[in-house]
Amino acid sequence: KAGVTQTPRYLIKTRGQQVTLSCSPISGHRSVSWYQQTPGQGLQFLFEYFSETQRNKGNFPGRFSGRQFSNSRSEMNVSTLELGDSALYLCASSRRGGPGHNEQFFGPGTRLTVL
Amino acid sequence: AQSVTQLDSHVSVSEGTPVLLRCNYSSSYSPSLFWYVQHPNKGLQLLLKYTSAATLVKGINGFEAEFKKSETSFHLTKPSAHMSDAAEYFCVVTSYNNNDMRFGAGTRLTVKP
Repeated sequence: KAGVTQTPRYLIKTRGQQVTLSCSPISGHRSVSWYQQTPGQGLQFLFEYFSETQRNKGNFPGRFSGRQFSNSRSEMNVSTLELGDSALYLCASSRRGGPGHNEQFFGPGTRLTVL
Repeated sequence: AQSVTQLDSHVSVSEGTPVLLRCNYSSSYSPSLFWYVQHPNKGLQLLLKYTSAATLVKGINGFEAEFKKSETSFHLTKPSAHMSDAAEYFCVVTSYNNNDMRFGAGTRLTVKP
């Protein structure tokens, strides 16, 4: 069974631009969560989608948004990029429930660099 | 509200010796606790989880952790370290009804030959 895939793996953008990251969950998984990992802040929860609806949201500004499609694939968008948005963005999927009580399977991440 | 503190940012052990990675948590609800491992340039992999069943939890690759409510701890142990165990380890807390996962800052494990 294929794992969680994320595209692209690496991305370089400049301040003020916007970016879209993509995540394909494991087949049959309906919950997709996004995380930001930086050396300074560590791993932080962005949001979780289940059946095309955002079910949980972390403490990030509105520049960070996402969506989920009917096939459970998810995209994350960051508008008006700032230098501090440089990070590894991780996507994780699970079968039904959210990250609180179901094992999540993580993708390899997208490394975003903002210049 | 919940949070987790990993007491050591870096642990170094020799191959074949025991591993202890310490984690304390704080939670307003009955917590679910997880340990994840991250190898360089890879995503996170679940090692083990505690969700209010047995307090001693066994995971993959010989790791185990014990939930101690009185000490609010969930330390990760392994009897004998292997070179392939060198990685970053994250302790995570959440609650069954709260899907917001809180990650510890991570502990980097180095294994010396």
